[in-house]
Amino acid sequence: DTGVSQDPRHKITKRGQNVTFRCDPISEHNRLYWYRQTLGQGPEFLTYFQNEAQLEKSRLLSDRFSAERPKGSFSTLEIQRTEQGDSAMYLCASSPQTSPRFGELFFGEGSRLTVL
Amino acid sequence: ILNVEQSPQSLHVQEGDSTNFTCSFPSSNFYALHWYRWETAKSPEALFVMTLNGDEKKKGRISATLNTKEGYSYLYIKGSQPEDSATYLCATTYNNNDMRFGAGTRLTVKP
Repeated sequence: DTGVSQDPRHKITKRGQNVTFRCDPISEHNRLYWYRQTLGQGPEFLTYFQNEAQLEKSRLLSDRFSAERPKGSFSTLEIQRTEQGDSAMYLCASSPQTSPRFGELFFGEGSRLTVL
Repeated sequence: ILNVEQSPQSLHVQEGDSTNFTCSFPSSNFYALHWYRWETAKSPEALFVMTLNGDEKKKGRISATLNTKEGYSYLYIKGSQPEDSATYLCATTYNNNDMRFGAGTRLTVKP
């Protein structure tokens, strides 16, 4: 399967701990996105990479959040000093730079975070 | 603020019923409208992308229409089946890297 993969699928942590999620996009895709989805809401944009460059960050991405894509392939999303409000599904998506389908995203299955 | 609104929030239908959902969006600077289907424990999967006013797309029993002037899209499912149960997400892009989602319509089809 050459789709977008995310790890871990589920993470339970105590408030104040740090967590890191990993995303492996489709190999030929140079765009990579992170979204967050909370109960009853649609996915909310967090940040976007083109190759290794982080081109856009949402105001939702507080200074406790950091994302990297060091070699333009996989990406990590780290949350420091987690809070209960960080509990959500974190979705990663990728797309080719020149998408014939007007920005269509290919999503992973998500990483569900529960902060106790 | 660009808000994508979907209605209804949830829907329960009987197998065999036809149904439809609505997505409304700001029409200024519109670029594309996407429908995704998200089954529980799976990844969101693209159904349709539409860009032109009056566009209609069809895939099996599912079809969608787009009105960019008034800012809405409809998704139709004909003869719903239990396997159609999922959350249907609408998203709009206002350039090629800014996709904004609605909250989704959660469809449950009862056998």
